Amino acid sequence: DAGITQSPRHKVTETGTPVTLRCHQTENHRYMYWYRQDPGHGLRLIHYSYGVKDTDKGEVSDGYSVSRSKTEDFLLTLESATSSQTSVYFCAISESVQSNTEAFFGQGTRLTVV
Amino acid sequence: TQLLEQSPQFLSIQEGENLTVYCNSSSVFSSLQWYRQEPGEGPVLLVTVVTGGEVKKLKRLTFQFGDARKDSSLHITAAQTGDTGLYLCAGAYNFNKFYFGSGTKLNVKP
Repeated sequence: DAGITQSPRHKVTETGTPVTLRCHQTENHRYMYWYRQDPGHGLRLIHYSYGVKDTDKGEVSDGYSVSRSKTEDFLLTLESATSSQTSVYFCAISESVQSNTEAFFGQGTRLTVV
Repeated sequence: TQLLEQSPQFLSIQEGENLTVYCNSSSVFSSLQWYRQEPGEGPVLLVTVVTGGEVKKLKRLTFQFGDARKDSSLHITAAQTGDTGLYLCAGAYNFNKFYFGSGTKLNVKP
């Protein structure tokens, strides 16, 4: 199994509070991604990173920010959590973006905003 | 708007039956992948198809990439209870992003 650890695995927070989710990898892969998974929507890309301090937006980036100060860590921050951000969040990594590259996923973080 | 549309959304069949899941888009992808996800876990890659018209077989699973590289299908022969799960297709887009379909939830009953 690819070495990807997400923390925390579960979190309940109140509306309006800041929340940071962490993704840590031991594979030294260049590319890292944050997705959210909601019923009926599958996995939607929030932000991704193609190197240290190099990040870009995905399709649902509003209300989220990311940072990558080290190759192994990719942080996702909800500056002011809202109920619509209740979801399961997955981190993924990939070695390259060649057409046959596999993305490896963490086990997910279940976030509930009350 | 979902970039990749999967159908059906839900499928419940008896063990031993055959089934096909579809993944369609109006966009062209450089490659398309199929993942399987079990409850409480992240998706795990099953196969990658790269060339238009390509067919790949993985035991009882057959994957096909459309000639125009806009669609794909997954066919399972003689489904088993162990095939139960969420099947997701994902397209490599602009060479630096993976976009996922909404998924097909398959339940194989004994």
